[in-house]
Parts: sequence; structure tokens; C-alpha cells
Amino acid sequence: EVQLLESGGGLVQPGGSLRLSCAVSGFTFRSYAMSWVRQAPGKGLEWVSAISGSGGSTYYADSVKGRFTISRDNSKNTLYLQMNSLRDEDTAVYYCAKDLTRVGAGPIDYWGQGTLVTVSS
Amino acid sequence: QSVLTQPPSVSAAPGQKVTISCSGSSSNIGNNYVSWYQQLPGTAPKLLIYENNKRPSGIPDRFSGSKSGTSATLGITGLQTGDEADYYCGTWDSSLSAGLFGGGTNLTVL
Repeated sequence: EVQLLESGGGLVQPGGSLRLSCAVSGFTFRSYAMSWVRQAPGKGLEWVSAISGSGGSTYYADSVKGRFTISRDNSKNTLYLQMNSLRDEDTAVYYCAKDLTRVGAGPIDYWGQGTLVTVSS
Repeated sequence: QSVLTQPPSVSAAPGQKVTISCSGSSSNIGNNYVSWYQQLPGTAPKLLIYENNKRPSGIPDRFSGSKSGTSATLGITGLQTGDEADYYCGTWDSSLSAGLFGGGTNLTVL
């Protein structure tokens, strides 16, 4: 059974940093690209970032480029999202997601339950 | 404002059919596969359709997808109250090298 378990969310002040983690099980982690997708309260889905199975290719939404860094540790079956210079508009539930392919262009076939990040003073 | 345009809401009676559109451009829908997701209230999204018209295992054939040019459509037949949810289209944008989601469509089964 595929499982994706996010952690690391919480309350942070504007300008602060946070690192999200996603521990996965139930599939060969290195064989699949992974993504982060967020959803602000009461709003729609927003694609944030993706990383290829090897970790050699990364992609970012313009809204987070230069502030967020996606990475993965294939030896630990764990995906990360380092978020710096956080803004109020980054407040959202962040979903860890497994892509159907290795490359990172979607689609997403499994989603975690999400972790809430709140940016507020 | 999403790059992919969906109607904010649609509604139909139980047992009827509904379609949800998703409009984009040549850099996204026009040259990439489209997927569709269902998000029930308070839950994570779920993949319904991938590669324009393929259904993952376990998704009933009441759900279908199609694509023509720079637009895609999700169809749902035999509507049930349990289908009430938000539906999102998704694709890749080759110019942006980024993923995209539509703004979402809320389905009400009257």
C-alpha cells in the first residue's frame, strides 16, 4: 500500500523558514518523480514543485522560485521542501504527492493527507 | 487567476450527466496530457483520469475524459450524491516547465 506521510508544518513568522518532510512507503521511491502541491484555505490546488526520480531535475512555480528548494533522499525514502523567506500568501495545506512517471511532469497518482503551514505574525 | 480555465460550478440531478471543461493554450493542454482530480470535502485529491482519457484502477467508467486542441472535458454519467466534490484539471506547461491546475469546479448533485 502506498503511503505518504508529511511532517514539519506549523506556525512561522513572515520572513521565516520551515522544512517539510514526506516519508514514503509501498513503492520503489527512486523510480518515481515527486511533487509538492498546496491549497490555501478555501482555495484551489496550486502546483508548487517537482523533482525527478533521480533528483537530477527540479521544477518550481514562479511564485516560489528562489525561495523554496525541493530535494529527496532516495536512501531514506524521503522527500523534502525547504521553504525560506516565507510570506503570508504561502499559508496553505501542503500535499506531498507521487507522480505516475519518473520524470516530473505529472500526473499525480497518490497524495498525502497534507500538512498545514501558517505564516503569520 | 489560473492559466487553466474551469467553470466555478456545475450542477445536475441524480442519474443525469454533467461535463466540466478545462481550457488552456498550446504550451500546456495543446501539447501535454491532461489529468483530472476529485477532491471530496475535507480530503486529499484523488486521480480520476490521466493521459486525457485513461482511468486508474478502481475508478468507475461513469467518469470519462477527452481532449481536443487546447481544451479538455471531464464527463460524469449516472450522477450520485457521493459525486459532490471539487474537480480539478491538471497538466504540464512546456513553456513554464511547471505543473498547472485549473481553478476547480464545484459539482452539486441536486
